Amino acid sequence: LAKTTQPISMDSYEGQEVNITCSHNNIATNDYITWYQQFPSQGPRFIIQGYKTKVTNEVASLFIPADRKSSTLSLPRVSLSDTAVYYCLVGDGSGNTPLVFGKGTRLSVIA
Amino acid sequence: EPEVTQTPSHQVTQMGQEVILRCVPISNHLYFYWYRQILGQKVEFLVSFYNNEISEKSEIFDDQFSVERPDGSNFTLKIRSTKLEDSAMYFCASSVIPEANYGYTFGSGTRLTVV
Repeated sequence: LAKTTQPISMDSYEGQEVNITCSHNNIATNDYITWYQQFPSQGPRFIIQGYKTKVTNEVASLFIPADRKSSTLSLPRVSLSDTAVYYCLVGDGSGNTPLVFGKGTRLSVIA
Repeated sequence: EPEVTQTPSHQVTQMGQEVILRCVPISNHLYFYWYRQILGQKVEFLVSFYNNEISEKSEIFDDQFSVERPDGSNFTLKIRSTKLEDSAMYFCASSVIPEANYGYTFGSGTRLTVV
């Protein structure tokens, strides 16, 4: 499984755009990049998934450069409720290769 | 939006006792998982289940653990003889046939406290 590296923590003020970058240098050809969000005492929640270029949904955008060795989760105009741990995961999406979580990035949004 | 439901939300048990944690995955999902998270630590994979059998398990999932899908809707995790170090949040998750853009849906978890 491709290993991921992301910052341990980040701080942001409300209303700002937050970009969290994850590196995955040994990503395999059939691997997807998936981001999850976790609030305290809750299960992780799927945010967004991509393979290459840019993916956008109602919550976030995911930017993946051509070499796919990194990815950036972009959260537009964060609010206090976006304070959470954000995990970057890489995997082929096969049920037989389960997702493996790292330590994630703890985002603190300040008023 | 469909949810993965876990019960109970909190369970306290004596060391050495057996516990069963219950999960109702999303109805059209085919893959089921258990993860655990010890307080302050990362989410750890325990086991995956597909087509009524275990498809993958981690080193944590030793002989004291077992999973079952007894009736086509519930998915259970049994811990046979609990230890203090089993205290953690246990999360159930499910996914449809693995394809892009779906991801796993996690439940809210069961907080297990072994005393």
